[in-house]
Amino acid sequence: QSAVTQPASVSGSPGQSINISCTGSSSDIGLYNFVSWYQQHPGKAPKLLIYDVTKRPSGVSDRFSGSKSGNTASLTISGLQPEDEADYYCSAYTNVGFFGGGTKLTVL
Amino acid sequence: QVQLVESGGGLVKPGGSLRLSCAASGFTFSDYYMSWIRQAPGKGLEWIAYISTSANVIHYSDSVKGRFTVSRDNARTSLYLQMNSLRDEDTAVYYCARVFRIPSAGWFDPWGQGTLVFVSS
Repeated sequence: QSAVTQPASVSGSPGQSINISCTGSSSDIGLYNFVSWYQQHPGKAPKLLIYDVTKRPSGVSDRFSGSKSGNTASLTISGLQPEDEADYYCSAYTNVGFFGGGTKLTVL
Repeated sequence: QVQLVESGGGLVKPGGSLRLSCAASGFTFSDYYMSWIRQAPGKGLEWIAYISTSANVIHYSDSVKGRFTVSRDNARTSLYLQMNSLRDEDTAVYYCARVFRIPSAGWFDPWGQGTLVFVSS
């Protein structure tokens, strides 16, 4: 099973905002601010988008933001663009691994 | 620039062995934990191993424990994954990734381009 739980898919129209949730437990996401998010386009390697729940590496668009409430972290993408269509993975250290099952974002 | 380049993937029969390499450049390799992460065709990411800077801390996922061995050569700035007793379910793209801080409190960045391992008779 996956370490943390994500929805299998989300969708949105260009210009809209979407949220992708990542649910863990009080022992991982709820306890520490060590959640990271990755974007993966088909046939490409994953790319870091967010680390430490809310921090964005240099070069990552400010349309991507992260947050956390209780045992659930979230990735928000604002001003959706066609190139945002990709798979998104959250990561948090748990006793069964690091990654969620991934969420496929479709830009309608 | 920071770069990770995996090699060594290919077709192998069930029960066979393969050794993957990851050549690192553009950063002080010996300062970072490193990790292997794989992705089966059409599936999500699965962390499988990490190794500390001096190789004194090594952890594996249950799915590969006892069959895979991770190692590193800081002088050669290279990471390795020795894979033995390969199974059909080990078929995947294997990525190496640099770990920031320590794995339990860090993140993976960057990732290599991946190397495909295909286990089939």
